[in-house]
Amino acid sequence: KNQVEQSPQSLIILEGKNCTLQCNYTVSPFSNLRWYKQDTGRGPVSLTIMTFSENTKSNGRYTATLDADTKQSSLHITASQLSDSASYICVVSFFSGGYNKLIFGAGTRLAVHP
Amino acid sequence: DGGITQSPKYLFRKEGQNVTLSCEQNLNHDAMYWYRQDPGQGLRLIYYSQIVNDFQKGDIAEGYSVSREKKESFPLTVTSAQKNPTAFYLCASSTHGSPSGNTIYFGEGSWLTVV
Repeated sequence: KNQVEQSPQSLIILEGKNCTLQCNYTVSPFSNLRWYKQDTGRGPVSLTIMTFSENTKSNGRYTATLDADTKQSSLHITASQLSDSASYICVVSFFSGGYNKLIFGAGTRLAVHP
Repeated sequence: DGGITQSPKYLFRKEGQNVTLSCEQNLNHDAMYWYRQDPGQGLRLIYYSQIVNDFQKGDIAEGYSVSREKKESFPLTVTSAQKNPTAFYLCASSTHGSPSGNTIYFGEGSWLTVV
């Protein structure tokens, strides 16, 4: 069964600290992996997208890694800011019938405290 | 500005009523999607459309209906057959699917509550 599991479910850190969010997946055949940031009550916004051949991608203070062999990804946030407080969603896709089918994780809710 | 516009942001539905959520995009995207988001769960696909006048059921289509008469518009109707419609609904769009993937853009979402 195609699944995406994220951990931890929620996380609290102090402003300025680093943190790492985890994503494990069993989606097959794998096409790409995306990380989204979703503020409460808003639509998700894309942070990174990685294909099978990419093992790291950065977007400012966000760095995503991908290990396609172990089917794991992580999102590292450096020097956290209060505005980083949001849910972070891992999305894995596989290509079928001309369409990218997406499997969404439940997200990690991050709270950054001053 | 280019983007996806969902309306209304908040909607209340009485038992037995049908309601329609609007989704408009000016990104010239061929594909559009409707997702439902419940607390503690990942987004689940309701319907998707890859091209005008064509749409396909997603994983949880029961109790919902859509139309795609124009490229820019993909309205979702929540019918009285949907027994648990209270949720956050997200519309999204993208260029045609490709193996390497493409960015999917989301609207700001619509909150639907049954009263």
